[in-house]
Amino acid sequence: ETVLSQSPGTLSLSPGERATLSCRASQSIRSNYSVWYQQKPGQAPRLLIYGASRRATGIPDRFSGSGSGTDFTLTISRLEPEDFAVYYCQQYDSSIMYTFGQGTKLEIK
Amino acid sequence: EVQLVQSGAEVKKPGESLKISCKGSGYSFTTYWIGWVRQMPGKGLEWMGIIYPGDSDTRYSPSFQGQVTISADKSINTAYLQWSSLRASDTAMYYCARHPKYNSGWRYYDSWGQGTLVTVSS
Repeated sequence: ETVLSQSPGTLSLSPGERATLSCRASQSIRSNYSVWYQQKPGQAPRLLIYGASRRATGIPDRFSGSGSGTDFTLTISRLEPEDFAVYYCQQYDSSIMYTFGQGTKLEIK
Repeated sequence: EVQLVQSGAEVKKPGESLKISCKGSGYSFTTYWIGWVRQMPGKGLEWMGIIYPGDSDTRYSPSFQGQVTISADKSINTAYLQWSSLRASDTAMYYCARHPKYNSGWRYYDSWGQGTLVTVSS
């Protein structure tokens, strides 16, 4: 079973700063299967990045994804006020199917 | 516009049964999978299972196998999540979400329902 570990648990930054969120898998996963979601309080998750680096429809280009193997990264180049939320990574493997990381809370400093 | 509209909040007692729904519109319901995700209060996302409404092929997370039943009625573009005997630990928000066909090579949920809050309390 692949376990996803996100770090940091909480990230405190100011608008305009750059955010770097990490997702580490306990075993190598296919890049096609690496996904990131954003969830704001009281809302459903929203797809941000799929296939490790592809932005979903309507996602601003300040969001980018990268990585391969066991290490994946979500970068927000310049934080906007609406970006403060919880971010989850997700992966797929054929045995356990879908797993989510525990989430990173991005809060305003 | 793709939409997944879920049924409303439920308050139930332990031991009661429940079936919640997720109605899709704005796309071909039978050519995408529908997954279900649990979010317990203040916690993260947990994948429960997935169904292909075209032929009702269903897969479950080992953590939820035998605890819930996922089904779909393609004639009315609706997927369901049901419990035969609820427990207090089932109290959570439940989301349905759309997933492309596996032969697309992708594994993501691109449209989500608004969530159904299930509260189980005596």
